[in-house]
Amino acid sequence: NAGVTQTPKFRILKIGQSMTLQCAQDMNHNYMYWYRQDPGMGLKLIYYSVGAGITDKGEVPNGYNVSRSTTEDFPLRLELAAPSQTSVYFCASSYSGQGARTGELFFGEGSRLTVL
Amino acid sequence: LAKTTQPISMDSYEGQEVNITCSHNNIATNDYITWYQQFPSQGPRFIIQGYKTKVTNEVASLFIPADRKSSTLSLPRVSLSDTAVYYCLVGLFSGGYNKLIFGAGTRLAVHP
Repeated sequence: NAGVTQTPKFRILKIGQSMTLQCAQDMNHNYMYWYRQDPGMGLKLIYYSVGAGITDKGEVPNGYNVSRSTTEDFPLRLELAAPSQTSVYFCASSYSGQGARTGELFFGEGSRLTVL
Repeated sequence: LAKTTQPISMDSYEGQEVNITCSHNNIATNDYITWYQQFPSQGPRFIIQGYKTKVTNEVASLFIPADRKSSTLSLPRVSLSDTAVYYCLVGLFSGGYNKLIFGAGTRLAVHP
């Protein structure tokens, strides 16, 4: 059982470059999230999705885009990388419905991005 | 969305009980309270979740007073491996719109 898989684990970008962080989950969860975490800080919500075809902004969406064409995948796109986007990015998923521990977030291992 | 407030850091010693309190004054009727633990270079992981009164599992207890404006995570007999950041989240978990915001967390350091 893979859970939440993020790729790549590490990436260095030059200012102005674009890239996509991939996230896939195999738990049939309806909710998926992207967070970023700067050194020594808490997690900030970038975007989230409540199901295929439905996405919404979180706390810090500027500079990012997302799509959710399938239940399993939730890629995060950085269009014009800036040094301020240097961070660790975590993808998470959860099931929202009935039952014990509904809403529990399952996190990927993170993607460490450096923009130079 | 209910905003949470936690102490920035706490120190403890091995074998002691640690209580971390989270304030969430504007918690909504349908909101649940969940605590997560995060080790360096890892994503947070679920510890415990509750709605009211007391919840206990194999690793922690969660105490929620009747007004639900705060909650306390209790870690019994901590060890060095409990050194981590602990986050309190408040949100709607049952069939609702689930925008989960993390606060700054509490950095717990357990000393020998």
